[in-house]
Parts: sequence; C-alpha cells; structure tokens
Amino acid sequence: NAGVTQTPKFQVLKTGQSMTLQCAQDMNHNSMYWYRQDPGMGLRLIYYSASEGTTDKGEVPNGYNVSRLNKREFSLRLESAAPSQTSVYFCASRDTGRPSTDTQYFGPGTRLTVL
Amino acid sequence: LAKTTQPISMDSYEGQEVNITCSHNNIATNDYITWYQQFPSQGPRFIIQGYKTKVTNEVASLFIPADRKSSTLSLPRVSLSDTAVYYCLVGDTLTGGGNKLTFGTGTQLKVEL
Repeated sequence: NAGVTQTPKFQVLKTGQSMTLQCAQDMNHNSMYWYRQDPGMGLRLIYYSASEGTTDKGEVPNGYNVSRLNKREFSLRLESAAPSQTSVYFCASRDTGRPSTDTQYFGPGTRLTVL
Repeated sequence: LAKTTQPISMDSYEGQEVNITCSHNNIATNDYITWYQQFPSQGPRFIIQGYKTKVTNEVASLFIPADRKSSTLSLPRVSLSDTAVYYCLVGDTLTGGGNKLTFGTGTQLKVEL
C-alpha cells in the first residue's frame, strides 16, 4: 500500500514550456486534490475532484488544468509555465465515504522551478 | 468558509507540554476541526480531528469549548522531532469537496533541548 505517489519529484522548466504532474492513490478514495505551497506559506488549493469524472476549481486555478483519469489518478497540467508557478505541488486524497472524518493523505510533493 | 487564526510561531523545550490555540469565530454547525503536522519537504500529515469537547489519540489531544469558536491542540512532552508546522483547519466533512478546506500559514513549533 503506497498511499499517494507523485511524479516527478523535481522538475525545472523554462518559461512557456508545458508539463504534467502525475498523482496516483491506491486507497480507493473518492476525492483527490492538488495544492501548491510557496516558501513560508500554507497550502493553497488549485483544483479538486470530488469523485471520478468530476473536477472543480479551488482557490488558485489560473494557469492550470486537471484530469481525473480514473478513480486512482489525478493529473495537473501546466500548459505554459511561468516563473510565478515555481512552487512545491502536493497531491492529496480523501475518503469522503466516511462521515465525520476528514483525513487527507498527502503525497511527497513535486518541487517545480520555472526559469 | 470558516477562517482560522493561529500564532505564527512557538518555542518550547523537550519534555514540556505545548498548547497551540486556533480561533475560528465563524465556524458553522457542520464544521469539524482538524489539525495537520508538516515537516520540511514533506506533505502535511493528519494529527487529530474533533467536533466538540475533548478528543485524544496516541499523538495529541484536542480541546474544543462549548461555543466551538476556538480549539487547542495539546502535545504532551514534546521532543525535537515535534519541530514542525501545525495547521488548524475548519470545514464541513460531510458534504465532501475540497474548496471548503483552507490551510492557513500554520504555527511553526520549534523544540529545543
């Protein structure tokens, strides 16, 4: 049981390049999330997927797109990277099938630098 | 969406009890209070969650007064390994979705010898 996995762990892009961050979970969770964390800051929600086949914007969606490929996988795409998108990106999943619990399980993060 | 306010930082020594208080004045009836811990270069990790009164697990205790406008995370006998950022979140866990959960800047706890 690997939990939440993310690839790649590190990435350097040039302004204008595109890339996709991959996330997968093996806990059969319904909901998945993408956050970004800038130095000294808390996490900000980019997009989330409440269930397979649905996605919705979070707090800072501009410049990103997402795909909920299946129940396990949730990818984040940067179509034209900008230096302002330099950050650490975390994927998380949550089992919304259980009321009164809100445990989100986080991946190890992807450290992205845009030059 | 209930906003939370926490101290930016706290210092402690090994073996002491640490209490971190979070204010959430506009908490809604369906909202739960959840605390996460984050070490450098890692994703946050769930510590404890509660709705009212007191909750205790093997890691921490969570105290919530009757009006639920604040909560206190209590870490007994901290060690150096408890040095981390602690986040208080308030959100409705019953309806699902992610946009009801907001991570603030958290509280940086530093434990020294």
